[in-house]
Amino acid sequence: EPEVTQTPSHQVTQMGQEVILRCVPISNHLYFYWYRQILGQKVEFLVSFYNNEISEKSEIFDDQFSVERPDGSNFTLKIRSTKLEDSAMYFCASSEGGQVRVRNEQFFGPGTRLTVL
Amino acid sequence: RKEVEQDPGPFNVPEGATVAFNCTYSNSASQSFFWYRQDCRKEPKLLMSVYSSGNEDGRFTAQLNRASQYISLLIRDSKLSDSATYLCVVKNDYKLSFGAGTTVTVRA
Repeated sequence: EPEVTQTPSHQVTQMGQEVILRCVPISNHLYFYWYRQILGQKVEFLVSFYNNEISEKSEIFDDQFSVERPDGSNFTLKIRSTKLEDSAMYFCASSEGGQVRVRNEQFFGPGTRLTVL
Repeated sequence: RKEVEQDPGPFNVPEGATVAFNCTYSNSASQSFFWYRQDCRKEPKLLMSVYSSGNEDGRFTAQLNRASQYISLLIRDSKLSDSATYLCVVKNDYKLSFGAGTTVTVRA
């Protein structure tokens, strides 16, 4: 069964450093997403991406964050200057469809646990 | 008002029991509805989509009441492997909004 993969599984960084989290979405999916989950809290939407553009983003996704699809398979989330409060599990997800009501189920990768010291 | 509100539980039930719980959502224009399950410190996994007419997938039955903005999940014949946190999820445009989850523990 095809699945979303993410690397690394755990990233430790110093405050102020840049990090890049990597994801390989399911191969025939066209829509890509990043979510995060702070320990003990609910899953929160960060951004959606389609056709090499951001289609929607949340208030959390400020200028410190960016996303890119550098090639035909990878989808990355960059945090330019990490803060302590960026410590969370970051999940990548993908779906076949986007806004439409069919084939719009989002499938999640196993996550990258980011720890900012 | 929170976008998606769930009873946090925990629901502690014996194997074979039926357990049901629900959630409410605030945006009446929400388009799609799902139940995901999340095991401790793992990714959310899609359990089922929820349709207006109600739908069933094996031992799991989901209902949607658009007028009351209410979604429910019922698990019949609970198994030990059903122990997890169940996430009520509502979709608007591209974004999924998650509830905080309902914890279910099935005991032998």
